[in-house]
Amino acid sequence: QSVLTQPPSASGTPGQRVTISCSGSSSNIGSNYVSWYQHLPGTAPKLLIYRNNQRPSGVPDRFSGSKSGTSASLAISGLRSEDEADYYCAAWDDSLSGPWVFGGGTKLTVL
Amino acid sequence: EAQLVESGGGLIQPGGSLRLSCAASGFIVSRNYMSWVRQAPGKGLEWVSVIYSGGNTYYADSVKGRFTISRDNSKNTLYLQMNSLRAEDTAVYYCGLGEASIADYWGQGTLVTVSS
Repeated sequence: QSVLTQPPSASGTPGQRVTISCSGSSSNIGSNYVSWYQHLPGTAPKLLIYRNNQRPSGVPDRFSGSKSGTSASLAISGLRSEDEADYYCAAWDDSLSGPWVFGGGTKLTVL
Repeated sequence: EAQLVESGGGLIQPGGSLRLSCAASGFIVSRNYMSWVRQAPGKGLEWVSVIYSGGNTYYADSVKGRFTISRDNSKNTLYLQMNSLRAEDTAVYYCGLGEASIADYWGQGTLVTVSS
């Protein structure tokens, strides 16, 4: 069971806006930055969002991140077929469970 | 641009040892923090270990005492020594360069299969 909680699945149609949530605690999301990754099986994961809401160069502005209290969200607007992938949130954790923790991942399906 | 290439994976019997390598280019390993992250079949990403520029190392509870992260500055390479391997260590292992997150850049991964 992952320290950060994500819904196992999400879906949307092309052009729609979808949101993926990530719930944690005061020792991780509540007091540290959140990052988001996109992962296609068999490929290297890709950083989408860092420091809660910052996009690396090259990541489309269709992807946005936010954080409130002990929860964070990734929003994808103008959904495209190539967005179909697994999405993971991650954060530093101040507790003994380890410096870094991931969410369980959300499989996004573009209908 | 940063590039990472993992190697050293393979089939190993339970209780055996394996050393993974992550050859880096485009940046200096010793000046950054580097992590190993794994993905077991059908499972999500799991952080395994990190080494900071100052040399401090940390491990997930699941591998503590069995895995050792290290680096060779002369080869600009990151390593993961894995001992006392178990079936549940079967996974694709990724190395990552951290700048603003666990890993801003990732390698393609190397598969480790622990089975008799």
